[in-house]
Amino acid sequence: DQQVKQNSPSLSVQEGRISILNCDYTNSMFDYFLWYKKYPAEGPTFLISISSIKDKNEDGRFTVFLNKSAKHLSLHIVPSQPGDSAVYFCAASGSRGIQGAQKLVFGQGTRLTINP
Amino acid sequence: EAGVAQSPRYKIIEKRQSVAFWCNPISGHATLYWYQQILGQGPKLLIQFQNNGVVDDSQLPKDRFSAERLKGVDSTLKIQPAKLEDSAVYLCASSLGFRPGRTDTQYFGPGTRLTVL
Repeated sequence: DQQVKQNSPSLSVQEGRISILNCDYTNSMFDYFLWYKKYPAEGPTFLISISSIKDKNEDGRFTVFLNKSAKHLSLHIVPSQPGDSAVYFCAASGSRGIQGAQKLVFGQGTRLTINP
Repeated sequence: EAGVAQSPRYKIIEKRQSVAFWCNPISGHATLYWYQQILGQGPKLLIQFQNNGVVDDSQLPKDRFSAERLKGVDSTLKIQPAKLEDSAVYLCASSLGFRPGRTDTQYFGPGTRLTVL
């Protein structure tokens, strides 16, 4: 049961252009969404997040859009730079377990390649 | 500020052998997580600790996997005996812990790549 899906395993974008990474989810209880970036041989690094009470969050070149009715979120990177080449994971959370513990469910990842 | 430390970085074992991974979280982080990332998939939560207590271990294969976090700081994850399908990267993450009205960002270590032959 894949609750968070990233249907594009890879994406290639020219330097300076916009990169758009997509993510779909099925669980309507998810209320918090994150994007992580991962370089080879390193752990994932937090990039940007959005709460379900918002539909857009921006941080420099990175913007995340949330469409709750479609259960879809996207990450826009503009302009794209060679250093943005990495694997990007979408993650979602909604459960608040013991002591408010937040459980993240990750997508499969999208490998972004920025071409010079 | 030092990040999450993990060791070893790589491990190759034969099936039915045992293996242990170590994690040192960021200082002051109350919550510690162990994830399994199989090639081509996203990280999957195995177990979550709040200080030295288990918060969630619903996806931990308890017949062969065990984890502990003595003294609420370092943690070890053990597999005994290992199977071929355990080949994966094992990621440790830590966070400050839940605080009302604040997000609880998880910080990941570099992971341990396990190959079971």
